[in-house]
Amino acid sequence: DIQMTQAPSSVSASVGDRVIITCRASQDISSWLTWYQQKPGKAPKVLIYVASSLQGGVPSRFSGSGSGTDFTLTISSLQPEDSATYYCQQAHSLPLTFGGGTKVEIK
Amino acid sequence: QVQLQESGPGLVKSSETLSLRCTVSGGPITNYFWTWLRQPAGKGLEWIGRINTIGSANYNPSLKSRVTISIDTSNNHFSLEMTSVTAADTAVYYCARYSTSSGCFDPWGQGTLVTVSS
Repeated sequence: DIQMTQAPSSVSASVGDRVIITCRASQDISSWLTWYQQKPGKAPKVLIYVASSLQGGVPSRFSGSGSGTDFTLTISSLQPEDSATYYCQQAHSLPLTFGGGTKVEIK
Repeated sequence: QVQLQESGPGLVKSSETLSLRCTVSGGPITNYFWTWLRQPAGKGLEWIGRINTIGSANYNPSLKSRVTISIDTSNNHFSLEMTSVTAADTAVYYCARYSTSSGCFDPWGQGTLVTVSS
């Protein structure tokens, strides 16, 4: 199985701050990486797919980059509604696997 | 737009079989993989398995011996059966559509909490 490791596990930042979340795959997954946002009691929502493509309707302050084993999700200017847990997921090979999540809190 | 809705018992006894259905509305159940995932309270996401519209299924090896996913394209739903459940199977269970072209799960159902009781 491909292991996905996210860092940090939690981050607290102020409105307007730039927040960067990293995701590392245990082997090369090319660009087969998706980022999700999950709010309490809700299903995850796609933000970024194939590493850097912004899902329709997602604010442009979210961006993704990386390929191979190292990926980042950047929130360029944190907003109150961005308080959530963020997950990465690899789609390179079965079983499909997720990172452990990063909880983003607003100071 | 396509919507998914999970249904099934919220309480299952230990050692028995968990059965859930996902009903797809707003479009035909074609051309994608249809998947089940779960999330224990306060924990991360786990992919259980997927099935395509010709009935070919793939499962997470960690659950493969206990899981069966089936599909009914005529009635636009797919199902999950998990045998010999334990307390460790207590989780919110989600169904979702999976696209191999994008590699992502979208959309998702709202999720259904299944509690395994002793």
